[in-house]
Amino acid sequence: EIVMTQSPATLSVSPGERATLSCRASQSVSSNLAWYQQKPGQAPRLLIYGASTRATGIPARFSGSGSGTEFTLTISSLQSEDFAVYYCQQYNNWPPRTFGQGTKLEIK
Amino acid sequence: QVQLVQSGAEVKKPGASVKVSCKASGYTFTSYGISWVRQAPGQGLEWMGWISAYNGNTNYAQKLQGRVTMTTDTSTSTAYMELRSLRSDDTAVYYCARDLVAGHNDYWGQGTLVTVSS
Repeated sequence: EIVMTQSPATLSVSPGERATLSCRASQSVSSNLAWYQQKPGQAPRLLIYGASTRATGIPARFSGSGSGTEFTLTISSLQSEDFAVYYCQQYNNWPPRTFGQGTKLEIK
Repeated sequence: QVQLVQSGAEVKKPGASVKVSCKASGYTFTSYGISWVRQAPGQGLEWMGWISAYNGNTNYAQKLQGRVTMTTDTSTSTAYMELRSLRSDDTAVYYCARDLVAGHNDYWGQGTLVTVSS
């Protein structure tokens, strides 16, 4: 089973600043990686798939990069609505399609 | 528009079974798969398994093998997830999600809270 490790667990950033979230896979997942955003009481929302392709309707301030075992989600200028928990998920070798443990992005 | 509407909250006793439904609309049901993901209170996301709505093929997380069954009813565009021999650590919100061929999930149901308590 591929283990996905996200860092940091919690990230404190001020509105308008840039946030950089990391996700590492225990073995290569090629570019078969997605990022999801989840707000309290809501279902996850797809942000990025294929490591770097924004999903429909996702603002350009969200960008994904990386391949193999190292991935990054960057939010270029944080808006109030971006404070949430972010999960990465690999779908290269499955079952299972493993998720990272999540990064909580909070207001500084 | 694409929608996945799940059945309501359930309270079950340990050892019982639960069956959660997920009714799809706004797209051709048999052209996509359905994944099931759960989230225990205050915890992260856990992938449970996948079913092809085209042919009924399934893949389950190993830890749930033997306790979980995923099915679809193409006549009503509805997917089902049944979990048996419930334990307290099965208490979670259960989500269904539309599954694209590549493997990511673009639309999600609203979630169904299943509480297992004696």
